[in-house]
Amino acid sequence: DAGVIQSPRHEVTEMGQEVTLRCKPISGHDYLFWYRQTMMRGLELLIYFNNNVPIDDSGMPEDRFSAKMPNASFSTLKIQPSEPRDSAVYFCASSRDGGHGYTFGSGTRLTVV
Amino acid sequence: AQTVTQSQPEMSVQEAETVTLSCTYDTSESDYYLFWYKQPPSRQMILVIRQEAYKQQNATENRFSVNFQKAAKSFSLKISDSQLGDAAMYFCAYSLAPYSGGGADGLTFGKGTHLIIQP
Repeated sequence: DAGVIQSPRHEVTEMGQEVTLRCKPISGHDYLFWYRQTMMRGLELLIYFNNNVPIDDSGMPEDRFSAKMPNASFSTLKIQPSEPRDSAVYFCASSRDGGHGYTFGSGTRLTVV
Repeated sequence: AQTVTQSQPEMSVQEAETVTLSCTYDTSESDYYLFWYKQPPSRQMILVIRQEAYKQQNATENRFSVNFQKAAKSFSLKISDSQLGDAAMYFCAYSLAPYSGGGADGLTFGKGTHLIIQP
């Protein structure tokens, strides 16, 4: 198994631009989570899906953030328009049921200048 | 809401020695899971060990073991025979058990402990 695959690994963009982060979960995992990691706030849960359906998006900071999961093997996190305070590492994680552990992707480091 | 507290921002240990990282959590639930994740400079989040709250026996994985005190809501990680490759950020995390209520709802993380290994 290739694990959770995220792309791109690094993204540098200008303020105001649209940014799309991508994630391919592990096959057979019913849950997909998006996290953001910053020095100030640590690891925060943004949104999660169960069987492709968004369950809880209360962690999404603003309407500029949106996430989709059109099928079991693909999810996107979009920021439009991006701002410098969105600079962070964004992780995608998947889990079969939550109890046996969560497998993380290698993260996307986003820098908004 | 559940909270996880790691009171040691940084710890340092000599190579081959033993070190214990502390973690406390707050929850009103009885069925949950606890985890320790390691994040080396590569930033990859690596699962080190997990504990099911209904199990009294402490989990062990090779040189890694936990001291789970459910009543005290404490979940410390012991690393024996520390190696240079153990240097990383260590995160304690909590997750509601998937069979409780509405199912899995993600991990709640502590702020992390930066572990330094002195050669």
